[in-house]
Amino acid sequence: DTGVSQDPRHKITKRGQNVTFRCDPISEHNRLYWYRQTLGQGPEFLTYFQNEAQLEKSRLLSDRFSAERPKGSFSTLEIQRTEQGDSAMYLCASRHRDSVPHNEQFFGPGTRLTVL
Amino acid sequence: AQSVTQLGSHVSVSEGALVLLRCNYSSSVPPYLFWYVQYPNQGLQLLLKYTSAATLVKGINGFEAEFKKSETSFHLTKPSAHMSDAAEYFCAVTASWFGNEKLTFGTGTRLTIIP
Repeated sequence: DTGVSQDPRHKITKRGQNVTFRCDPISEHNRLYWYRQTLGQGPEFLTYFQNEAQLEKSRLLSDRFSAERPKGSFSTLEIQRTEQGDSAMYLCASRHRDSVPHNEQFFGPGTRLTVL
Repeated sequence: AQSVTQLGSHVSVSEGALVLLRCNYSSSVPPYLFWYVQYPNQGLQLLLKYTSAATLVKGINGFEAEFKKSETSFHLTKPSAHMSDAAEYFCAVTASWFGNEKLTFGTGTRLTIIP
């Protein structure tokens, strides 16, 4: 168990550019989650996958955001035409295939995005 | 719908003193409740969770929390603070029904330990 990994850890971009983040969940975790955490706030749910299927999306996920998990393993989160308001920490989490809601979500270290 | 309110965005305690971090929840269905800790530039680590099995829950690093339905509270305590406890703490809630996947977090409490 090597934990949830995210890449890159930091990303600085100019407004209007596209960025893509990657998340590798713990192996055999079929549930994968993306959260956004802005300064001074708690994480906010963005979306979640069960295997390769994206089953829920938050209203926070505007049409500039897209997430994929093509083979049910790693996931990518892309932000198009970045805005300064997109600056945040993007956290990925995964959970074991057991569907009980109280099972722990394991979080990665996050990708910190700064939009200039 | 679920929500969490953490009272006190910053809490300072002396080393060796009692730590008390407050969390109140709102949920239309029986909740599951969690406390997570976040160290600088790191992800979140689970401290403990309430899943209806017992109202007093013990977690890692000497932390515990008590679920009080009448007060809709799930406050986090530790009898004696250590310098290593300095971090940000988040309370989170999820609904206890099959198919629910979303964690709803509070805004966090930054704990500072005074030597």
